[in-house]
Amino acid sequence: NAGVTQTPKFRILKIGQSMTLQCAQDMNHNYMYWYRQDPGMGLKLIYYSVGAGITDKGEVPNGYNVSRSTTEDFPLRLELAAPSQTSVYFCASSPRTGELYEQYFGPGTRLTVT
Amino acid sequence: AQTVTQSQPEMSVQEAETVTLSCTYDTSESDYYLFWYKQPPSRQMILVIRQEAYKQQNATENRFSVNFQKAAKSFSLKISDSQLGDAAMYFCAYQEGTDKLIFGTGTRLQVFP
Repeated sequence: NAGVTQTPKFRILKIGQSMTLQCAQDMNHNYMYWYRQDPGMGLKLIYYSVGAGITDKGEVPNGYNVSRSTTEDFPLRLELAAPSQTSVYFCASSPRTGELYEQYFGPGTRLTVT
Repeated sequence: AQTVTQSQPEMSVQEAETVTLSCTYDTSESDYYLFWYKQPPSRQMILVIRQEAYKQQNATENRFSVNFQKAAKSFSLKISDSQLGDAAMYFCAYQEGTDKLIFGTGTRLQVFP
């Protein structure tokens, strides 16, 4: 049971480039989330998904896209990277059953856009 | 919109002593969850403790306990017998029924031997 995994761990992008941050979970959780953490700040929700085929915007969705074709995977796509997207990105999942509201986090991806 | 405020950017404590981290939140909901997450230098987000708003009893997990004051919208974390491994960023978080977590800006805790 690997929990929530994220790849890559680090990435440097040039302005205007695109990339996909990968996230996978092996806990059969329905709910998955993408957060970003800027220096000295808490996490902010980018997008979330309540199940395969269903996604919705969070607090800061501009410049990002997501898809959820399977229960396990929830990739985050950055199109036309900008310096403002320099951040640490966290993926999380949750079972959303009964009182099990805990979100399980991946180790994060540190992204720098220069 | 719901907000979470952590007014202490940094705190320090001597090893074996007790420290309390503050958190306040704003909501019009009556049913919600509150969490404290720990983020060590590894960046991994680790759940420390959680509190259901409908429960009056304060949650406790070993050396960690909370003081939940629903009317005052306050949710402080008390760490007893502090250890060097407790040094980290601590984030207070509020969760709505739709499972969106709203985080505070964090408190950096230093533990001195």
